[in-house]
Amino acid sequence: GQQVMQIPQYQHVQEGEDFTTYCNSSTTLSNIQWYKQRPGGHPVFLIQLVKSGEVKKQKRLTFQFGEAKKNSSLHITATQTTDVGTYFCAGGSRNTDKLIFGTGTRLQVFP
Amino acid sequence: DVKVTQSSRYLVKRTGEKVFLECVQDMDHENMFWYRQDPGLGLRLIYFSYDVKMKEKGDIPEGYSVSREKKERFSLILESASTNQTSMYLCASSPNSKFFETEAFFGQGTRLTVV
Repeated sequence: GQQVMQIPQYQHVQEGEDFTTYCNSSTTLSNIQWYKQRPGGHPVFLIQLVKSGEVKKQKRLTFQFGEAKKNSSLHITATQTTDVGTYFCAGGSRNTDKLIFGTGTRLQVFP
Repeated sequence: DVKVTQSSRYLVKRTGEKVFLECVQDMDHENMFWYRQDPGLGLRLIYFSYDVKMKEKGDIPEGYSVSREKKERFSLILESASTNQTSMYLCASSPNSKFFETEAFFGQGTRLTVV
């Protein structure tokens, strides 16, 4: 069945360093969503990408959807302590009517 | 603001008990979901519902059932709780028939421990 993997599972960075998490699907996706879950909190929607090769920015966050619509990435420039949390991608498929969440990347930022 | 409210933040139950987890949303959303979250496994879909009295199995429905008698309420039932059902349970809702391309709104989660 459809699987969505994320790497790395954990990342520790010094404040000010950049961070990237990668999301890979076993099948072609219709769309990709990204969520952030703060420690002790619940996932909160960040953004959705639907077009092949699409790039979207939110302040220091840059989201990309691969040309083949099978992978995606989230890049954070100059991390801050407020970026701490777990980042999930979720791949949507019109063929299967499913939204599959990735395994998540937990980001820790040291001041 | 959309609000998804889960009845309990923390629950401790005994093996073999029947457990009810309740979820209420206040935005008239068609779709409601139950996920479980375990370290290293991400969020896995247990059941979802796209309308009142309708339910569909997700990826890990074994040992669970659901009930949706009213549009705003979606209940997850553990028929006979087992220790391998110790987990964080997250309820979510979304407003669109094409739920896979619509933002999901999550509740605060229920951390269930089965002893």
